[in-house]
Amino acid sequence: AQSVTQLGSHVSVSEGALVLLRCNYSSSVPPYLFWYVQYPNQGLQLLLKYTTGATLVKGINGFEAEFKKSETSFHLTKPSAHMSDAAEYFCAVSGPRAQFYFGTGTSLTVIP
Amino acid sequence: EAGVVQSPRYKIIEKKQPVAFWCNPISGHNTLYWYLQNLGQGPELLIRYENEEAVDDSQLPKDRFSAERLKGVDSTLKIQPAELGDSAVYLCASSPPPGKTYNEQFFGPGTRLTVL
Repeated sequence: AQSVTQLGSHVSVSEGALVLLRCNYSSSVPPYLFWYVQYPNQGLQLLLKYTTGATLVKGINGFEAEFKKSETSFHLTKPSAHMSDAAEYFCAVSGPRAQFYFGTGTSLTVIP
Repeated sequence: EAGVVQSPRYKIIEKKQPVAFWCNPISGHNTLYWYLQNLGQGPELLIRYENEEAVDDSQLPKDRFSAERLKGVDSTLKIQPAELGDSAVYLCASSPPPGKTYNEQFFGPGTRLTVL
């Protein structure tokens, strides 16, 4: 079975500080992992995804994530937070029938 | 390229009334998803279509929810009758062929339903 756990429903960082959003997964098959961002009153937008190959994945807006199989983790990071990064972030894992399982989300607040 | 289009964006109805949501996926995307998103939660799959065939509707409450995707393009999700607990955002997403597990899903803006 596939599932995702996002630790911390709310994260606050100062502008310019490191952003770290945590995601742990469980999967009965080799996982494909995704991070999506959702701005208020909008749909989800893909930030990055891991399928195969390099375990450090770079995405849009300066975000990146590292797939660590031994830790079953796929944490999202950004070296320097910007005010425009304030949003809801969702980690997801895909299942064998192309369905997605989303975490409960992490709300990121950026403090000026 | 136009994105996934959903309408209406907002809907307020009284309980026991019917309601319908419409989704137009990105051109060429043969896989279409309907999700339910409760406040403070991640999206939960209701139904997935491959072309006009519903290939996964195991989470669709079939006593009151129905969906169709005629001609394998646009899709409609209906609730009849609506209950207070149906208040949520209904998201539509699509992905290009083939329907692989690593395929990105493209989301529409959602329809926010309020049941009074």
